[in-house]
Amino acid sequence: LAKTTQPISMDSYEGQEVNITCSHNNIATNDYITWYQQFPSQGPRFIIQGYKTKVTNEVASLFIPADRKSSTLSLPRVSLSDTAVYYCLVVPYNNNDMRFGAGTRLTVKP
Amino acid sequence: EAQVTQNPRYLITVTGKKLTVTCSQNMNHEYMSWYRQDPGLGLRQIYYSMNVEVTDKGDVPEGYKVSRKEKRNFPLILESPSPNQTSLYFCASSPQRSGSPLHFGNGTRLTVT
Repeated sequence: LAKTTQPISMDSYEGQEVNITCSHNNIATNDYITWYQQFPSQGPRFIIQGYKTKVTNEVASLFIPADRKSSTLSLPRVSLSDTAVYYCLVVPYNNNDMRFGAGTRLTVKP
Repeated sequence: EAQVTQNPRYLITVTGKKLTVTCSQNMNHEYMSWYRQDPGLGLRQIYYSMNVEVTDKGDVPEGYKVSRKEKRNFPLILESPSPNQTSLYFCASSPQRSGSPLHFGNGTRLTVT
């Protein structure tokens, strides 16, 4: 199972773009990358996932370079309500083992 | 409504008194998992199950038991709780299908005194 490494915390200000990078050096060929968001005392919520290149949805973008050894979650124009912990997961193709790390605590300031 | 339901939401108990935290999902998901969350440690997987009668250890299984007799239910059992099991617990489920995200319950906050 590929281990992931993320910054422990990040600070930003309202209206800025935030990029959170995750390292996963030993990702396997068929693994894909998933990001979750968690607010205090709530279960994590799925944000976005991808296998390679770029994926965009209404909430975020995910950039994955060709070697797939890292990925970057991009949150455009953050607001105070984006203050949360963000987790990067490398998930096996058959979805059978999903393990979270410590995540990145993002604090958005006014 | 599609959901993962955990009960109870809050539980205070004493050391050694057996307890069960229930988890039920109504989405016919094959995969279910239990996590505990402690300050600064993120979510750590306790046990997971890929289908009925198939369970496996996660990263921190000591002191816990699980069972998967039916597809919808995945109870977490603490036979002899100890204070170091005081934590916030989450149950999650997903289809056994590549690309399917986890659906989480609302959590159970357990305090063992």
